[in-house]
Amino acid sequence: GAVVSQHPSRVICKSGTSVKIECRSLDFQATTMFWYRQFPKQSLMLMATSNEGSKATYEQGVEKDKFLINHASLTLSTLTVTSAHPEDSSFYICSATTGSDYGYTFGSGTRLTVV
Amino acid sequence: AQSVTQPDIHITVSEGASLELRCNYSYGATPYLFWYVQSPGQGLQLLLKYFSGDTLVQGIKGFEAEFKRSQSSFNLRKPSVHWSDAAEYFCAVGLWGSSNTGKLIFGQGTTLQVKP
Repeated sequence: GAVVSQHPSRVICKSGTSVKIECRSLDFQATTMFWYRQFPKQSLMLMATSNEGSKATYEQGVEKDKFLINHASLTLSTLTVTSAHPEDSSFYICSATTGSDYGYTFGSGTRLTVV
Repeated sequence: AQSVTQPDIHITVSEGASLELRCNYSYGATPYLFWYVQSPGQGLQLLLKYFSGDTLVQGIKGFEAEFKRSQSSFNLRKPSVHWSDAAEYFCAVGLWGSSNTGKLIFGQGTTLQVKP
């Protein structure tokens, strides 16, 4: 079945630094990738939608300059948290879809801790 | 606006008992509905999905869900719960159409605890 690999699974960084999270579709071409954020004991909130070769579409209230999303190929999307602060600490999850079967495949998530 | 509501934040059932997790949605077009399960610190695993056809959908791990358009509901059921079913369960609606590229809107989630 379709597999999405997300790395790293955990990362701890210092306040003010940037962190990059990768999301790769291993055995299919992902026309669209989605980035979600999940706070403890809460639901997943969509941050942005990215299509290969075009700019990401951010949800209302998400700072596009802080959360940089790149979808340079049909198998790779990256989320860079720039100038991270403790309030950015969260669980970030990506998902991918080919669009053809209305199905989604999720990565295993990245636990970001900013100290 | 599109939304998904899971009325029960936390449910506790005894092992072997039946389970029903409720989900209501609000969406003007044909809904693409999903149930996912998440173990602590993990990603999401698809249990089942409904796009069209038979309104009773069978999924993995013995789960099923019934789509009721008149009630805007998509409740998840399992006849006999196992201790390994303890997890967080999310209902979601997929938005497909001219102005949507398939993003998922999630409910708040229901935490399932299973008593021995």
